[in-house]
Amino acid sequence: SQTIHQWPATLVQPVGSPLSLECTVEGTSNPNLYWYRQAAGRGLQLLFYSVGIGQISSEVPQNLSASRPQDRQFILSSKKLLLSDSGFYLCAWSGEGLSYEQYFGPGTRLTVT
Amino acid sequence: GENVEQHPSTLSVQEGDSAVIKCTYSDSASNYFPWYKQELGKRPQLIIDIRSNVGEKKDQRIAVTLNKTAKHFSLHITETQPEDSAVYFCAASRLSTAGNKLTFGGGTRVLVKP
Repeated sequence: SQTIHQWPATLVQPVGSPLSLECTVEGTSNPNLYWYRQAAGRGLQLLFYSVGIGQISSEVPQNLSASRPQDRQFILSSKKLLLSDSGFYLCAWSGEGLSYEQYFGPGTRLTVT
Repeated sequence: GENVEQHPSTLSVQEGDSAVIKCTYSDSASNYFPWYKQELGKRPQLIIDIRSNVGEKKDQRIAVTLNKTAKHFSLHITETQPEDSAVYFCAASRLSTAGNKLTFGGGTRVLVKP
């Protein structure tokens, strides 16, 4: 069966510091991968998605970036964090091609101080 | 792009009663409509979904209906139980080989009172 991992689970970082969040998927190949952000008490906002290695599409312009160095690895980065970057970051996967169901990882709770 | 609105934002029901959450979407080309349940501090869990070629789908106490003409879909929970208390999100997408980009509604906080 498929499993999705995220780390770290929680992170407290000062404003202006860099960020690297990692997501990996097991038990499937060539998944579609997604990064979402959820602000406190709010809905989910799609940040980036990827349909293959090195293929990244950005949905919202901001100081974040994403990379997919391996088939089942998806990384969210920032060079300089802002206070507004605080939130719950969720990675999700779906099967390759025309696959509907999307499943979320456990998330990383980021607090920027 | 797609815009999804969800109502109500909060819903309080007595245990055993039914709960209904409604969502509207803007993109008539959207063809996939999932519902997620999120408990406090946890990840959203897919509980049911419906595709545009179907008008209704049931799974035990949960059902979803879709009206493509009016561009709205609803989640129905019958015989509610305390463990149904959570935040529920609807979403919509137009599935393509370029990925399944979900647009979420703002969420409904459901409280089931025993």
